[in-house]
Amino acid sequence: EVQLVESGGGLVQPGGSLRLSCAVSGFTVSNYYMGWVRQAPGKGLEWVSVVYSGGGDTYYVDSVKGRFTISRDNSKNTLYLQMNSLRPEDTAVYYCARVRANYYQLDYWGQGTLVTVSS
Amino acid sequence: QSALTQPASVSGSPGQSITISCTGTSSDIGNYNHVSWYQQHPGKAPKLIIYAVSNRPSGISNRFSGSKSGNTASLTISGLQADDETDYYCSSYTTTNTLVIFGGGTKLTVL
Repeated sequence: EVQLVESGGGLVQPGGSLRLSCAVSGFTVSNYYMGWVRQAPGKGLEWVSVVYSGGGDTYYVDSVKGRFTISRDNSKNTLYLQMNSLRPEDTAVYYCARVRANYYQLDYWGQGTLVTVSS
Repeated sequence: QSALTQPASVSGSPGQSITISCTGTSSDIGNYNHVSWYQQHPGKAPKLIIYAVSNRPSGISNRFSGSKSGNTASLTISGLQADDETDYYCSSYTTTNTLVIFGGGTKLTVL
């Protein structure tokens, strides 16, 4: 059975940092594209970042470039999102998801973890 | 880059059919068949219901169907049921460096 379980969310002050984790079971993260999607309270979905399989090329939405870093630990089968210089507008539920390379569909999602950036 | 354009809300009666549109540009929907649709119930993670414009993942009801014409993709739900009342999002591959773009979401009300 495929499972993605996020952790690491919480309350952080503006300018602070958090690292989100996404523990995966049922498939090997290094064999797939893996991504992060966020959803601000009461708002729609926003693509944040993706890491490719193999060589691990990464892509980011412009609003997080230079502040967020996506990575994976193959030995732990876990995806990460390191978030630095956090802003109030980063407040959202963050979902990790498996991304299929053929049509960029997100076929498995975690349950989400809430990040609140506030003083 | 701006989100794909979806109507904020649509409605229909039980048993009827509704269609939700998703309009993009030639940088995304217009030149690629990488269109997906997601259903999201309140407090839950999104669920993939359509990919590659018109393909259904295993286990998704054939009441859900997708199509595309030009820069606009569409999701049709036939035989509306009460449980269909929730939010729906489209997405597409895009040639911008973001790679994937979502629509703003559509709230479906079953009257």
